[in-house]
Amino acid sequence: GAGVSQSPRYKVTKRGQDVALRCDPISGHVSLYWYRQALGQGPEFLTYFNYEAQQDKSGLPNDRFSAERPEGSISTLTIQRTEQRDSAMYRCASSLDRGREQFFGPGTRLTVL
Amino acid sequence: SQQGEEDPQALSIQEGENATMNCSYKTSINNLQWYRQNSGRGLVHLILIRSNEREKHSGRLRVTLDTSKKSSSLLITASRAADTASYFCATDESNFGNEKLTFGTGTRLTIIP
Repeated sequence: GAGVSQSPRYKVTKRGQDVALRCDPISGHVSLYWYRQALGQGPEFLTYFNYEAQQDKSGLPNDRFSAERPEGSISTLTIQRTEQRDSAMYRCASSLDRGREQFFGPGTRLTVL
Repeated sequence: SQQGEEDPQALSIQEGENATMNCSYKTSINNLQWYRQNSGRGLVHLILIRSNEREKHSGRLRVTLDTSKKSSSLLITASRAADTASYFCATDESNFGNEKLTFGTGTRLTIIP
């Protein structure tokens, strides 16, 4: 029952490798969001789920990025063939429903060498 | 892209003084949320104010919203060293088809003991 959890907290990978980032939302939260945050900036939207349906993926930078939430709870953000420019903090948030407060997880710091 | 802009970008005040941060945005919103982030760590939700509200209080925090000017302010009274952090406003356009939060650029607040 605590807050949103994300794993791993830190991920270092070599360019060209695939990575999978996991988000476990607050129990009972219908909506789940993925954001990416660069140093010194606010988070930027990537994609959003309502239950298991991906409602908006307009923020995904390109087709190397994908996300799923097959059972309407845990979500995975996958980045294929990582590039150095993918290095950032990836944050997940959940909310009880659309238009409600979004609560953020601790983030996954991804470093692509 | 980031909709909101916080003003000032950085603010330093003496402990015990009040701190005021402003946020301007561009589109119609459902609600506006303020977050705090300590030294690049997690985003902590502070307060949500709906588009039909003008003022909201939570402890030492006071938020105002002026939808005619598309602006909001966050006032922290009787500041403490622990208030040192970056503060972000985020707009929710979920009544207008956008479910994501759009964050501003942040105000870096430093409380001098």
